[in-house]
Amino acid sequence: RKEVEQDPGPFNVPEGATVAFNCTYSNSASQSFFWYRQDCRKEPKLLMSVYSSGNEDGRFTAQLNRASQYISLLIRDSKLSDSATYLCVVNGGRGSTLGRLYFGRGTQLTVWP
Amino acid sequence: DAGVIQSPRHEVTEMGQEVTLRCKPISGHDYLFWYRQTMMRGLELLIYFNNNVPIDDSGMPEDRFSAKMPNASFSTLKIQPSEPRDSAVYFCASRIGTSGTLSTDTQYFGPGTRLTVL
Repeated sequence: RKEVEQDPGPFNVPEGATVAFNCTYSNSASQSFFWYRQDCRKEPKLLMSVYSSGNEDGRFTAQLNRASQYISLLIRDSKLSDSATYLCVVNGGRGSTLGRLYFGRGTQLTVWP
Repeated sequence: DAGVIQSPRHEVTEMGQEVTLRCKPISGHDYLFWYRQTMMRGLELLIYFNNNVPIDDSGMPEDRFSAKMPNASFSTLKIQPSEPRDSAVYFCASRIGTSGTLSTDTQYFGPGTRLTVL
């Protein structure tokens, strides 16, 4: 079983739409959770960290459900510039894997005018 | 402040040749990671270092791949001999500090080296 699983999409939505991405992770000991964004032919960049209580950054809202080992990202009022691949990321949890991050395959989003 | 620096940005080589990729982490960061990304396999961790010491190299595909970190500001990933299936984008990333918090676990990626082996 993969450490992090995401729906690869693609999600094609019009400008102004609300879109939600989900991912699940397998290691119950994971402590840190993130969403990274990757534009075409660019490097992954941190979009936002995910706090236990959930957090919001402008149009972006991240939620964590530890019991279900589930992370979500909600994008409201989508912009053309939101078109990218969104990577769900968790840390290793403990022991020798604590220092590393596990990346999902990513969910591709295209926002059309 | 400079981010992670990688060179070259693009490399085209022929099968059998040696390839060396270079990375300079963000100053003060004591973890360095090498990843490979392909359409088929996504982002894969190859190896990572803590304070210049390799911690986990289980992702290194085979003996043709080797990585070194001679000092805190420089690392290399070498492929010898290269094969067409090594074609991918290779990313270097760095982070600071002891793991376990959101701020210290955040990794910062370089722009990548796009490798094509003919």
